Amino acid sequence: KQEVTQIPAALSVPEGENLVLNCSFTDSAIYNLQWFRQDPGKGLTSLLLIQSSQREQTSGRLNASLDKSSGRSTLYIAASQPGDSATYLCAVMWNDYKLSFGAGTTVTVRA
Amino acid sequence: KAGVTQTPRYLIKTRGQQVTLSCSPISGHRSVSWYQQTPGQGLQFLFEYFSETQRNKGNFPGRFSGRQFSNSRSEMNVSTLELGDSALYLCASSLFDRVVYNEQFFGPGTRLTVL
Repeated sequence: KQEVTQIPAALSVPEGENLVLNCSFTDSAIYNLQWFRQDPGKGLTSLLLIQSSQREQTSGRLNASLDKSSGRSTLYIAASQPGDSATYLCAVMWNDYKLSFGAGTTVTVRA
Repeated sequence: KAGVTQTPRYLIKTRGQQVTLSCSPISGHRSVSWYQQTPGQGLQFLFEYFSETQRNKGNFPGRFSGRQFSNSRSEMNVSTLELGDSALYLCASSLFDRVVYNEQFFGPGTRLTVL
């Protein structure tokens, strides 16, 4: 079964600390992997998209890595700020083009 | 460029009624996907439309249906509403012609409450 898991479910860090969010998936036959941010009651904002042929993507303070063979992706957020507080979702598009989401990691950055 | 828009933003219905939700994709995007988000089940894929054709379908009962128009706008319909259909319904659009892969861009969602 194609599943996406995110651990931990919640994370609280002091401002300035680096964040490390984990995503694992059960099948290496993926098309791409996308990280999203969701604020309470809102839609999803795309952060980074990694194609299956890529190992990492970077945007500003964000860096996402992908290891298909081990079924893992990691999102790094450098020098966290209170504005980074949100739920972060990992989404895997499989080779059949269906998208599966993890349950998300809720991040709180304490000022 | 305008983002993905969804209407209405909030909706309250009673059991047994039907509901239609609308999604306007980003201009030029031809793929529209629908998702249901609930606290218990998280985000689940409903279906995807491309050029007015359903290309993919998730594991939802036949009460959930959709369509896409020639201008790429999409609607989803839920008939005979149940309490468990209360959720945030999200629409996403992308260029995604399966030759060139693109990001999914999400709308703000429609919050449906079934009483």
